[in-house]
Amino acid sequence: EAGVVQSPRYKIIEKKQPVAFWCNPISGHNTLYWYRQNLGQGPELLIRYENEEAVDDSQLPKDRFSAERLKGVDSTLKIQPAELGDSAVYLCASSWRRGTYEQYFGPGTRLTVT
Amino acid sequence: RKEVEQDPGPFNVPEGATVAFNCTYSNSASQSFFWYRQDCRKEPKLLMSVYSSGNEDGRFTAQLNRASQYISLLIRDSKLSDSATYLCVVNRGSTLGRLYFGRGTQLTVWP
Repeated sequence: EAGVVQSPRYKIIEKKQPVAFWCNPISGHNTLYWYRQNLGQGPELLIRYENEEAVDDSQLPKDRFSAERLKGVDSTLKIQPAELGDSAVYLCASSWRRGTYEQYFGPGTRLTVT
Repeated sequence: RKEVEQDPGPFNVPEGATVAFNCTYSNSASQSFFWYRQDCRKEPKLLMSVYSSGNEDGRFTAQLNRASQYISLLIRDSKLSDSATYLCVVNRGSTLGRLYFGRGTQLTVWP
């Protein structure tokens, strides 16, 4: 079974530029999560989708971050404009359904903002 | 105050040693507890769930103390392959599905 796929794996951009990350969850997983992990810290939830509905986006900085999950499968997370403090690893995870606590993580996108 | 607090370590132990990690959680309404493992520059993966009565999986034993809001992980007979960061994870029932991760405890097992 294929795992969670993310692209790109690495991204270096200058501040004020836009950036987008893509995630394809495990087939059949209805719940999709985006996390941000800063160096030396645990992942922090940005947004959670149940199918195509964003059900928990309270931690998403909505002034510059946006996300979508069209058709309830793939998802895109965007930052516009990026700031130096956005440098982090952006992790996508999926689980079979809400309330299933085992989350399967993708390899992440390592973002560096210069 | 953070939801989950962990000593970041690092813990450096020889092969065969027994090592224990602890974490505390702040919200008494927390309902589910886990340990995830994260290898260097890799994604987190579920190591084990933590049950109220305590549970064991091979060389790994997890304990939960709800009264003290404290979770532990014991690794016996450490292997080189156990070198990783161990993340303490908590779920609050009111936000079903949202996991709160500690910052992780780094373990290095040396030969």
